[in-house]
Amino acid sequence: SQTIHQWPATLVQPVGSPLSLECTVEGTSNPNLYWYRQAAGRGLQLLFYSVGIGQISSEVPQNLSASRPQDRQFILSSKKLLLSDSGFYLCAWSVEGWETQYFGPGTRLLVL
Amino acid sequence: GNSVTQMEGPVTLSEEAFLTINCTYTATGYPSLFWYVQYPGEGLQLLLKATKADDKGSNKGFEATYRKETTSFHLEKGSVQVSDSAVYFCALMNRGSTLGRLYFGRGTQLTVWP
Repeated sequence: SQTIHQWPATLVQPVGSPLSLECTVEGTSNPNLYWYRQAAGRGLQLLFYSVGIGQISSEVPQNLSASRPQDRQFILSSKKLLLSDSGFYLCAWSVEGWETQYFGPGTRLLVL
Repeated sequence: GNSVTQMEGPVTLSEEAFLTINCTYTATGYPSLFWYVQYPGEGLQLLLKATKADDKGSNKGFEATYRKETTSFHLEKGSVQVSDSAVYFCALMNRGSTLGRLYFGRGTQLTVWP
């Protein structure tokens, strides 16, 4: 069976510090991978998606970036965090033809 | 374009009450429709889905019917429980999409009191 992991679960960072959130998927090959952000009281915003290693597409220009160094690994980064980066970050995966996305447990980020 | 509109929350109900959360959509293609649920502090879980007109998705006592004529996919449950308290998201995916991109509504917070 397939599983998706995210870490850390919770993170408190000062403004201007760097960020690295990691997501890994097990039990499937060549998944599509996604990063979403959910701000407090808001809906889900798609940030990045990837259809393969090294292939990243950005939905919203901002100070975040994403990388996919391995087939089942997806990393969300920032060089300098802003207060507005606070939120709940969700990673998800899908496989072409399945028409369903599966979500990880999320990382709660608070920027102070 | 593609978009999903959900009824504004929060929705507050007593245990065993009937639940309806409205969802309508616009889509460029012929979409599949989904309801996801997010329990407090957790990620999203797929609750149910329907892939063609008149299909009914069901799970854990929840149901939703794909209505192409009204472009709707309303979520219903006959008798809610305290454990159903969560945020519910309606979503669509255009069928045949290589990317498998989901378009989400803003979510509806449901609170059930004993």
